[in-house]
Amino acid sequence: ETGVTQSPTHLIKTRGQQVTLRCSSQSGHNTVSWYQQALGQGPQFIFQYYREEENGRGNFPPRFSGLQFPNYSSELNVNALELDDSALYLCASSTLAGVNNEQFFGPGTRLTVL
Amino acid sequence: QKEVEQDPGPLSVPEGAIVSLNCTYSNSAFQYFMWYRQYSRKGPELLMYTYSSGNKEDGRFTAQVDKSSKYISLFIRDSQPSDSATYLCAMSRNTGNQFYFGTGTSLTVIP
Repeated sequence: ETGVTQSPTHLIKTRGQQVTLRCSSQSGHNTVSWYQQALGQGPQFIFQYYREEENGRGNFPPRFSGLQFPNYSSELNVNALELDDSALYLCASSTLAGVNNEQFFGPGTRLTVL
Repeated sequence: QKEVEQDPGPLSVPEGAIVSLNCTYSNSAFQYFMWYRQYSRKGPELLMYTYSSGNKEDGRFTAQVDKSSKYISLFIRDSQPSDSATYLCAMSRNTGNQFYFGTGTSLTVIP
């Protein structure tokens, strides 16, 4: 059984650019959630995807968008990057239909916006 | 007011000590309570998962939930230097819902 993987590990962009982050969910999981973790803070929920549809969204502007593919992998896209977008971006996979509510996190992508 | 409050520490204890980590919350709709451990520059790792009130034990770790007080705790017995990490509490309303995290408590266990 493979765990949650994310790519790239690190990324440096400049203000105004666009970025795409990728996540492969754990085997058997059909739900992916994305979180933003600023330095010294807890993760903040961005959105969740279930069976290729958005299934909930946190307090993030529309320039944060996502996709989920038929194999349940997912992408997070951020347009018009701002300095405050610098953070660790985490994805977590789970089984929405399961009894348990466990989310398993990947190692994250560290994004730096200059 | 944040939905989940957690003392960021830092907390420093000698090896073998009992560690108590706590979170309070304001939303009475939360039913699922989790504790994650996060090493520096890594993703959070699920430690404990509890539904509703009560205690749950797993090895050296015990999680307690008191919904009447909106207070959750994680106890670590016989702490080890390898327990040095940031501990995050998280909670949610329903199965599959978004998680609300505390800011994390930084723990150092001194050999």
